[in-house]
Amino acid sequence: KQEVTQIPAALSVPEGENLVLNCSFTDSAIYNLQWFRQDPGKGLTSLLLIQSSQREQTSGRLNASLDKSSGRSTLYIAASQPGDSATYLCAVRNDMRFGAGTRLTVKP
Amino acid sequence: DVKVTQSSRYLVKRTGEKVFLECVQDMDHENMFWYRQDPGLGLRLIYFSYDVKMKEKGDIPEGYSVSREKKERFSLILESASTNQTSMYLCASRTSGGAGELFFGEGSRLTVL
Repeated sequence: KQEVTQIPAALSVPEGENLVLNCSFTDSAIYNLQWFRQDPGKGLTSLLLIQSSQREQTSGRLNASLDKSSGRSTLYIAASQPGDSATYLCAVRNDMRFGAGTRLTVKP
Repeated sequence: DVKVTQSSRYLVKRTGEKVFLECVQDMDHENMFWYRQDPGLGLRLIYFSYDVKMKEKGDIPEGYSVSREKKERFSLILESASTNQTSMYLCASRTSGGAGELFFGEGSRLTVL
């Protein structure tokens, strides 16, 4: 059974910092990996989807990388803003299991 | 715009009641999922469906059942609600192809008294 781990569980940074969130998984036979954002009391919003054949994907200030052989993905957020404060989750396919998430707080 | 709609955002039910949570997607997706989310436990998969009339148990199916009679609709049923089923329930869908992105609804917050 696939196990997905996200470190750290919580992160607090001052506005403007660049930061990295980590996601690790135990079974490297995945189709893709998806990063999500969740605001309190809301559903999950898709941020980036990386196919197993890709090494990275970029959207605006976000960059996600994937290293299947080591079972790792990172989400890089450049020039963080208070509006980035949320919980960030990763999920791996085949079976769409999730990590517990990283709760990010960006302080003005 | 893609849409996954969960019919009820907030529900309050009593122990022993039968509860239906409805999820509808308008993207013609084959795969649909039900998760519950609890503090400290993350998202846990309850049931999923690869296509109409198909269903598979996830990690925590006990106390739940599902129905997928039409492609666009996936229902989660609590036959006899219990207080430990108080939770946030999230529905998601995706295409069956390997490249499929997962889309979520807004969630249904269920409180069982």
